[in-house]
Amino acid sequence: AQSVTQLDSQVPVFEEAPVELRCNYSSSVSVYLFWYVQYPNQGLQLLLKYLSGSTLVESINGFEAEFNKSQTSFHLRKPSVHISDTAEYFCAVSALYNQGGKLIFGQGTELSVKP
Amino acid sequence: GAGVSQSPSNKVTEKGKDVELRCDPISGHTALYWYRQSLGQGLEFLIYFQGNSAPDKSGLPSDRFSAERTGGSVSTLTIQRTQQEDSAVYLCASSLGTSLKTGGELFFGEGSRLTVL
Repeated sequence: AQSVTQLDSQVPVFEEAPVELRCNYSSSVSVYLFWYVQYPNQGLQLLLKYLSGSTLVESINGFEAEFNKSQTSFHLRKPSVHISDTAEYFCAVSALYNQGGKLIFGQGTELSVKP
Repeated sequence: GAGVSQSPSNKVTEKGKDVELRCDPISGHTALYWYRQSLGQGLEFLIYFQGNSAPDKSGLPSDRFSAERTGGSVSTLTIQRTQQEDSAVYLCASSLGTSLKTGGELFFGEGSRLTVL
């Protein structure tokens, strides 16, 4: 079985500051890793994913995450945040051979960007 | 429609009543998932459909919860004899395939917010 721990429930940050949202996972098998974002009053949408290859993955809006197998982590980072990045962020994992595509989510981190 | 559609968007019911929540996935998506989002609890997996069958219903919290999918499309999640702890946002998602190796992404609806008084 897999589990995901997001270490911070809330992260307040000022605009243009860097941010890191932490995610650790536990699994006895290899996994795929995801970050989803939920903007206020909207559904969840995929931000970025790690399936294989380069351990550093990027999103189109400047976020990046690095898969660290030894530390079982997939932290999300952005060097300079905008007000529009205010949202809830969810880390998720899926077992490599899980044909069902079931995702196990963390508890979420609420990112609040202040002017 | 272009996205996953869920109805109702909001439902207030009295304890002990039955409720039905509906999900209309993206056309052509064979896989459909139900999740529950409770305050401070993250997203909890409930059940997954591939076509009309449910290979994984391990997340259904009790036998008061059931779901079905017909025609490989619309799905209904039914909660019988609702309890206050059932209050949550119920999210539906669909995807093109069953293997994430192809990058199969889950597309989520906006959810049905259930409040049990």
